[in-house]
Amino acid sequence: DIQLTQSPSFLSASVGDRVTITCRASQGISNALTWYQQTPGKAPKLLVYDASTLQSGVPSRFSGSGSGTEFTLTISSLQPEDFATYYCQQRNSYPITFGQGTRLEIK
Amino acid sequence: EVQLVESGGGLVQPGGSLRLSCAASGFTLSSKWMSWVRQAPGKGLEWVASINPDGSAEHYVDSVRGRFTISRDNTKKSLYLQMNSLRGEDTAVYYCARLYETRTIYDYWGQGTLVTVSS
Repeated sequence: DIQLTQSPSFLSASVGDRVTITCRASQGISNALTWYQQTPGKAPKLLVYDASTLQSGVPSRFSGSGSGTEFTLTISSLQPEDFATYYCQQRNSYPITFGQGTRLEIK
Repeated sequence: EVQLVESGGGLVQPGGSLRLSCAASGFTLSSKWMSWVRQAPGKGLEWVASINPDGSAEHYVDSVRGRFTISRDNTKKSLYLQMNSLRGEDTAVYYCARLYETRTIYDYWGQGTLVTVSS
C-alpha cells in the first residue's frame, strides 16, 4: 500500500499569510495526487487534482505542485474561509489512500 | 445540479448488518465510477470501495473485503453498500462520492450518513 504523510499535521496562521502543506508518498506516484479541503461537519471539497490542476471554481490563491514522491499545496494569502483541514489522496494504485490531514487554524 | 444523498445509517450491534444507499441526481449515473469513503469520528478519510459504471468490477480496502459489498442499480440511480459482520472500528460517517472521468478523483460528495456500531 502507498502511504501518504502530510506535514505539518497542525498549522496555525493568520489571515493574509502564505502557507504550504507537504504530502510525501512512500513510493513514486507520478502526478496522481489530489488535494481536498474539509470544514467541520461537511463533506470534503476537491481543490487540486493531477498534482497541479486547479478544480473549476477554486480560487487562484490555491496552487499545487510536485511529482513522484513529494507534493505541496500552497495558499498564497489566507482568507477566513480557508481555515479547515486539508487532505492529500493518491490514485496511482489500489488501495486508494489519503494523508492523515493537516488542520489549519487561525492564529 | 449534481446531488448525492446517502441514507441508511444508524446504530447497529457488533456482528450486525446495515445497507447504505446513495441516491444520485443531476448526472448520468450509468457512466460514472462511484465510491464509498468513510471517516471515523475525529479521524481522517478512508477509502472503502469503488465500483465501475456497469457494476462488473469492484475494489475494496482489505479491512472490509469479504464483509462489505458495493453495488449499484443504474435504473434506480442508486449506489449501495451492504455491510455485514460490523465491528466497532466500522463506526464512521460514510460518504458516497463520484469519480471524475475514470480517474479516482472525487469531484462530488454526498453529505454522509453516520454508522455507529455499538452494543
